[in-house]
Amino acid sequence: QLVVTQSPSASASLGASVKFTCTLSSGHSNYAIAWHQQQPEKGPRFLMKVNKDGSHNKGDGIPDRFSGSSSGAERYLTISSLQSEDEADYYCQTWGTSIQVFGGGTKLTVL
Amino acid sequence: EVQLVQSGAEVKKPGESLKISCKGSGYSFATYWIGWVRQMPGKGLEWIGIFYPGDSDIRYSPSFEGQVTISADKSISTAYLQWSSLKASDTAMYYCARCSSVGALNNFDSWGQGTLVTVSS
Repeated sequence: QLVVTQSPSASASLGASVKFTCTLSSGHSNYAIAWHQQQPEKGPRFLMKVNKDGSHNKGDGIPDRFSGSSSGAERYLTISSLQSEDEADYYCQTWGTSIQVFGGGTKLTVL
Repeated sequence: EVQLVQSGAEVKKPGESLKISCKGSGYSFATYWIGWVRQMPGKGLEWIGIFYPGDSDIRYSPSFEGQVTISADKSISTAYLQWSSLKASDTAMYYCARCSSVGALNNFDSWGQGTLVTVSS
């Protein structure tokens, strides 16, 4: 069964970096994923697609502070130089031939 | 610029029917899969289903199959999500979203602003 798993919460200080992990279920380690950001009281926004080789394609207007990478069944989103507006929920998404799957989301608190 | 504009908030009673819409612009509507996502209050994103306007191909999440109907009218670049008999548990924000590549069921790269559906007696 295709599943992606995320930690429920993360925190980091203003100006620091944070790395989110999205783990693909067994047998699906070669799948690509996408990261979406949802700021408080707003709709989701596409950040980037991360491929199994770590290459990533960002959405329009996404700052260079946001980057993606990959290792095995894990896909990562790193945000550097954290700003207050980065405080949000971050969701990973993957897909199969007839299915879309979201992770439970990680809530980022910027200290 | 790709835009998805959803219909406004709705307040309904249990048992009533409802159809909400999502109008696409700035791209060839018929050639991209468009999906629907539910977000219940204080919860995460849940995939409902996805529709290809080009040939009306459709896929539903097992969790939602039989509970909702997804459709589209490509002549007016609009996708729909409808219920025949709402329940209080359908209270949620609903988002439409477009897949990123022509003809491919892959990641969403554009989102609508959301439609809040409230079902209460």
